Amino acid sequence: GDSVTQMEGPVTLSEEAFLTINCTYTATGYPSLFWYVQYPGEGLQLLLKATKADDKGSNKGFEATYRKETTSFHLEKGSVQVSDSAVYFCARKTGGGSEKLVFGKGTKLTVNP
Amino acid sequence: DVKVTQSSRYLVKRTGEKVFLECVQDMDHENMFWYRQDPGLGLRLIYFSYDVKMKEKGDIPEGYSVSREKKERFSLILESASTNQTSMYLCASSTPRFTNYGYTFGSGTRLTVV
Repeated sequence: GDSVTQMEGPVTLSEEAFLTINCTYTATGYPSLFWYVQYPGEGLQLLLKATKADDKGSNKGFEATYRKETTSFHLEKGSVQVSDSAVYFCARKTGGGSEKLVFGKGTKLTVNP
Repeated sequence: DVKVTQSSRYLVKRTGEKVFLECVQDMDHENMFWYRQDPGLGLRLIYFSYDVKMKEKGDIPEGYSVSREKKERFSLILESASTNQTSMYLCASSTPRFTNYGYTFGSGTRLTVV
């Protein structure tokens, strides 16, 4: 069925380091793909999205490119900040015109000063 | 600013109690969802609704029911709370009119059943 697999955490980086969080999805059609971020004690917020192959979503210095050939949507940021410490979730639309999203299990990022 | 509001941030309930978690959205969204979030398990869909008075089971509906009497409100009901229902509960909404916008989430309700 429809699923999303993202890299296990936790991930710990120093400030200004490069970040990659891997995400792959099952190839049922060409679903819209999303990254959500959850700051401590809060609900999830949409970080960025891509709706078709080769689209690049970007926001707050984060980027992810929809790669059809590798069924991936990896999240990257060139220089992380302490304020980026959060849990990041990759998600995809399920197939068949459904409005449901399927989420990965989340990757906790901690950025140290 | 559009919002999904969950009535409580923290709740403590006793085993066997009937528990109501309320969620209200002000965006005129058709779709509403209830998830629970547990460490190592991510988000799991409990129930969702595409319209008033409509509901569909998600992946883990056992022990839960829902009510959607008005478009803006979606309630999650724990019929007889148990300790294994201690979790963070997240409500979300979306609309097929802007289908690629994803969900808008509430801030969550952290429920502890003792």
